Amino acid sequence: KAGVTQTPRYLIKTRGQQVTLSCSPISGHRSVSWYQQTPGQGLQFLFEYFSETQRNKGNFPGRFSGRQFSNSRSEMNVSTLELGDSALYLCASSLVTAGSRTQYFGPGTRLLVL
Amino acid sequence: GDSVTQMEGPVTLSEEAFLTINCTYTATGYPSLFWYVQYPGEGLQLLLKATKADDKGSNKGFEATYRKETTSFHLEKGSVQVSDSAVYFCALSDPGGGGADGLTFGKGTHLIIQP
Repeated sequence: KAGVTQTPRYLIKTRGQQVTLSCSPISGHRSVSWYQQTPGQGLQFLFEYFSETQRNKGNFPGRFSGRQFSNSRSEMNVSTLELGDSALYLCASSLVTAGSRTQYFGPGTRLLVL
Repeated sequence: GDSVTQMEGPVTLSEEAFLTINCTYTATGYPSLFWYVQYPGEGLQLLLKATKADDKGSNKGFEATYRKETTSFHLEKGSVQVSDSAVYFCALSDPGGGGADGLTFGKGTHLIIQP
């Protein structure tokens, strides 16, 4: 089975611009979560989508948004970029069952804001 | 809220040494516990997991036991190799804890294995 894929892998933007990142989950996985990884703050949960609906959201400003399509692919958008948005953005997919679920991560998109 | 605490390192060991990376957690519900590994320039790979107390997760020679009484999930390996050099993250998932349903991560432990 193919793993989680993310595009693009690297991105350079300038302050004030907006950016869209894409994530394709493992086939059959309907839940997609997004995380931000920075050296200072570590790994932080952004939000989760399941069946095209946002299920949970972390503590990030409204500039960070996302959506999920009917094929479970997800996009994440950051508007009005700030220097502090430079980070590795990781997407994870999982099966949602009654019991515990395990998240599988993609390779990430490295965003540099100049 | 939920939290995970682990030694940050770097931890430097010689090849074939015994490895322990400590991880303790705080959770309001009944969490599942995970270890992920990140190699340079890559995303996170699931190393092992445990979903209930006294469960032992194991993979590629690594082991960790879910200890509810000490709220710990320490990672161990009997004989490390240079290829084990990476950053290791302890994480928990606590959907019953009332918070966001994402993973809560520790800060990561940078492991360096010298030949």
